[in-house]
Amino acid sequence: DGGITQSPKYLFRKEGQNVTLSCEQNLNHDAMYWYRQDPGQGLRLIYYSQIVNDFQKGDIAEGYSVSREKKESFPLTVTSAQKNPTAFYLCASMGTGSYEQYFGPGTRLTVT
Amino acid sequence: GIQVEQSPPDLILQEGANSTLRCNFSDSVNNLQWFHQNPWGQLINLFYIPSGTKQNGRLSATTVATERYSLLYISSSQTTDSGVYFCAVYRYSGNTPLVFGKGTRLSVIA
Repeated sequence: DGGITQSPKYLFRKEGQNVTLSCEQNLNHDAMYWYRQDPGQGLRLIYYSQIVNDFQKGDIAEGYSVSREKKESFPLTVTSAQKNPTAFYLCASMGTGSYEQYFGPGTRLTVT
Repeated sequence: GIQVEQSPPDLILQEGANSTLRCNFSDSVNNLQWFHQNPWGQLINLFYIPSGTKQNGRLSATTVATERYSLLYISSSQTTDSGVYFCAVYRYSGNTPLVFGKGTRLSVIA
């Protein structure tokens, strides 16, 4: 099946630890995105990548890092520098020439 | 940057009722999407609608780009329509990020 997968679905970490969230797509899309959602809020952009080996900061990039070594994969690392990492993280992708973004199922991260 | 405002923030409907959700945006946009976020958090694409009107079953959407608003109509609502409805607009053309509104939380009761 074509689609976007995110793993794990739930993730628990202790404060001070870095954690990496996985996002994989088999839609052959060039562009990929990471958003953060807090309770009762809309989505805010963390990072995005329009092509392999290139990415741009979004509105709330501080405390996060990404890589884009393969077209299919866009992992997000939540570092210990992120002050409030507990949130719902959503990955999305979009094909060149298309104007519709498609979302993965999300990862709920809890840091205590 | 561009602002996206959705109204109402919360809506409670009896099953079978109709509703209209509104999305206002502060600047010209090339593209607009409506999403439904189900109780498990999955964002489901409803419409890509930069202008004009589209219909899909009981749902329809209209965007009037010159007046900077979009409307989502839900007719004969069902309990499965419950969740949060988001409007999102593109900042520029091309493969660029969406700016989301804060959503309308819809609860349909039997």
